[in-house]
Amino acid sequence: DQQVKQNSPSLSVQEGRISILNCDYTNSMFDYFLWYKKYPAEGPTFLISISSIKDKNEDGRFTVFLNKSAKHLSLHIVPSQPGDSAVYFCAASAVSGAGSYQLTFGKGTKLSVIP
Amino acid sequence: DGGITQSPKYLFRKEGQNVTLSCEQNLNHDAMYWYRQDPGQGLRLIYYSQIVNDFQKGDIAEGYSVSREKKESFPLTVTSAQKNPTAFYLCASSRRPTGRQGYTFGSGTRLTVV
Repeated sequence: DQQVKQNSPSLSVQEGRISILNCDYTNSMFDYFLWYKKYPAEGPTFLISISSIKDKNEDGRFTVFLNKSAKHLSLHIVPSQPGDSAVYFCAASAVSGAGSYQLTFGKGTKLSVIP
Repeated sequence: DGGITQSPKYLFRKEGQNVTLSCEQNLNHDAMYWYRQDPGQGLRLIYYSQIVNDFQKGDIAEGYSVSREKKESFPLTVTSAQKNPTAFYLCASSRRPTGRQGYTFGSGTRLTVV
């Protein structure tokens, strides 16, 4: 049962336009939500996060929005640049039944920014 | 500079052989994790360890083994029992709780069975 879902496997956007990547979740106990960026044959790198008590967090060109009632978050990239082309993973943090903290990842969305 | 190092970057294994993937971190993180990435599958958790000398199975632990004898090290052994070991393997570490900082990932090991 997927607790974190990224329903769009891929997204293409023109350079300079806005990229919007979406993520849905089912577990209301998640306390933080994070976005990671991954290039081929490399490890994911942390991009931006948001606490479950906030509804928006901004860092330069990247903004994450959280809608708790809809259990939905989105990552906005404005303006999109060719270097943003990568796979983006949505992740959520919660304490497991064994008392450990883990991230649950979505399957990723491949973003292609077209020059 | 603090970081997490995986080695080797590429690894080839003959069928029936065990291989060990190395993961070392100098971030003083308590928790360490191993993930496997296959095309279209996202990141799947193999094993994780919250403290030294303790580790737990993840979602796809069959055919894998780990040890956590030192805080800095969390090696993964891919055994001959793993039916489809060809994949990209990622090691990660984190503070406890993960919070807004999440995980720090290594650069990965590409394992190919020949």
